[in-house]
Amino acid sequence: EVQLLESGGGLVQPGGSLRLSCAASGFTFSSYVMTWVRQAPGKGLEWVSAISGSGDSTYYADSVKGRFTISRDNSKNTLYLQMNSLRAEDTAVYYCAKSISKVIQPFDYWGQGTLVTVSS
Amino acid sequence: QSVLTQPPSVSAAPGQKVTISCSGSSSNIGNNYVSWYQQLPGTAPKLLIYDNNKRPSGIPDRFSGSKSGTSATLGITGLQTGDEADYYCGTWDSSLNAVVFGGGTKLTVL
Repeated sequence: EVQLLESGGGLVQPGGSLRLSCAASGFTFSSYVMTWVRQAPGKGLEWVSAISGSGDSTYYADSVKGRFTISRDNSKNTLYLQMNSLRAEDTAVYYCAKSISKVIQPFDYWGQGTLVTVSS
Repeated sequence: QSVLTQPPSVSAAPGQKVTISCSGSSSNIGNNYVSWYQQLPGTAPKLLIYDNNKRPSGIPDRFSGSKSGTSATLGITGLQTGDEADYYCGTWDSSLNAVVFGGGTKLTVL
């Protein structure tokens, strides 16, 4: 059974940093593109970033480019999102998601999400 | 403002059929596969349709997808109260080099 478990969310001040993790199990982690998608309170889905199975290729939404860094440790079956220079508009539930194949989308499995709140 | 345009809400009676539209452009829907996600209240999104019209294992055939030009449509037949949820379309945008989603459509089963 595929499982994705996010952690690392919490309250952080504007300008601060946070690192999210997503522990994966139930599939060959290194074979799939992994993605972060966020959802601000009461709003729709927003794609944040994706990383290839090997970790060699990364992709970012313009809204986070230069501030967020996606990475993965295939030996630990874990996906990461390092978030720096956080802004109030980054407040959201962050989901990690597994891509259905070697392409970036669609996403066939999602974690339960972790809430990031950026506020002073 | 979302790149893909969906109606904010749709409604229909139990047992009836409803369609949800998703409009885009040649840089996204027009040249890439569309997927659809269901988000029940308080839960993570769930993949309903991918590659325009394919259903993942376990998704009932009450759910269907189609695409024509720069628009896509999700159809749901035999509506149940358990289908009340937010529905999102998504695809790759070749100009933005990003995954884009519609703003979401809230389905109410009256």
